[in-house]
Amino acid sequence: ELKVEQNPLFLSMQEGKNYTIYCNYSTTSDRLYWYRQDPGKSLESLFVLLSNGAVKQEGRLMASLDTKARLSTLHITAAVHDLSATYFCAVGGLAGGTSYGKLTFGQGTILTVHP
Amino acid sequence: GAGVSQTPSNKVTEKGKYVELRCDPISGHTALYWYRQSLGQGPEFLIYFQGTGAADDSGLPNDRFFAVRPEGSVSTLKIQRTERGDSAVYLCASSSHSSGSYNEQFFGPGTRLTVL
Repeated sequence: ELKVEQNPLFLSMQEGKNYTIYCNYSTTSDRLYWYRQDPGKSLESLFVLLSNGAVKQEGRLMASLDTKARLSTLHITAAVHDLSATYFCAVGGLAGGTSYGKLTFGQGTILTVHP
Repeated sequence: GAGVSQTPSNKVTEKGKYVELRCDPISGHTALYWYRQSLGQGPEFLIYFQGTGAADDSGLPNDRFFAVRPEGSVSTLKIQRTERGDSAVYLCASSSHSSGSYNEQFFGPGTRLTVL
């Protein structure tokens, strides 16, 4: 059974600081997704990572994928308050017998950015 | 353009009742997904449609849960004999399986189901 684990689960940061959220998964997959969720809202797609070594950046967020280590990271640079949200990684693709469409999500990382 | 829509946004029901939750995907998206999200957890896969057929229903917890997509567009998730443990936010997502889409799933706002 595919397992996806994120750490940390809770992250309190000061504005202007850098930090990284880690996402480990247990079986081979060819695609990794990052989503953002604001309180009481639905999920917003941030990044789709499709190959080993893939790196994508949008504003203060940068995501990377190491398929050999089964690890993805979401790096936050010079955090601002607007980044406060819950961040989920999700693994899809033909992983461990799961169907093409199914996404398996991590537990989520609750990020709070303080002034 | 219009995103994924779900109705109702909130549904309160009594234990043992039947409920239907509706999802309207992004126009032209062939794949549709249902997930369930409990408080403080990540979404949990329930079922996935490709066109009208269920391609994977391995996440449906038991036979009280059923979903249909008769015309390959709108989908309805049906829950019979609801239990308090069914209380959660039910999320619907859709994706295009055209080349280059990478199966990126776009989520609706969810239906918050409360079973009293």
